Amino acid sequence: GAGVSQTPSNKVTEKGKYVELRCDPISGHTALYWYRQSLGQGPEFLIYFQGTGAADDSGLPNDRFFAVRPEGSVSTLKIQRTERGDSAVYLCASSQTAAPGDTQYFGPGTRLTVL
Amino acid sequence: QKEVEQNSGPLSVPEGAIASLNCTYSDRGSQSFFWYRQYSGKSPELIMFIYSNGDKEDGRFTAQLNKASQYVSLLIRDSQPSDSATYLCAVTDSNYQLIWGAGTKLIIKP
Repeated sequence: GAGVSQTPSNKVTEKGKYVELRCDPISGHTALYWYRQSLGQGPEFLIYFQGTGAADDSGLPNDRFFAVRPEGSVSTLKIQRTERGDSAVYLCASSQTAAPGDTQYFGPGTRLTVL
Repeated sequence: QKEVEQNSGPLSVPEGAIASLNCTYSDRGSQSFFWYRQYSGKSPELIMFIYSNGDKEDGRFTAQLNKASQYVSLLIRDSQPSDSATYLCAVTDSNYQLIWGAGTKLIIKP
């Protein structure tokens, strides 16, 4: 596609439920990043993939969060036993490579609300 | 704790004037510096990046970097109402991950 796409655009769930957020990067981009952004804050790094492997998952807040990218393209961020504090906009970005300074292009985000 | 600090604003600038946005960072090992613009309810989009000390100009935008002072700024000349947005400063850490500031809200008054 022309840009990074994310689905769903909005997700409302109840505390304790499981959610999956999907990211489809720009075609040919090998690096894919997940961030989350709370109101009035900058994006917070969660995890990044180089190809199929998670090259750095140091930003995942706890073991309820997990992400996969099985074929090196689409990625899914999975959150188990959601908590109200997980409510945020989850942003996905991709870049052509993972070279330092390579431009990251962001998707429109998924707004997650945990009731 | 690696930090990127920005004044949250709002910074109000008259149309046609120069807007000056500032950012400081704590990690001396940072190598790459980015300015992103984020309109309300939208995702960040890259405005400029800078790697070397000094100034880098692109149209109405100038990024300035001073690694000794751990300071990076963005100047917007001939400010337009469409420049009204939140400007996010991002800095790569030693693992080449982006560390983000909280952003400065810029308002250009017609």
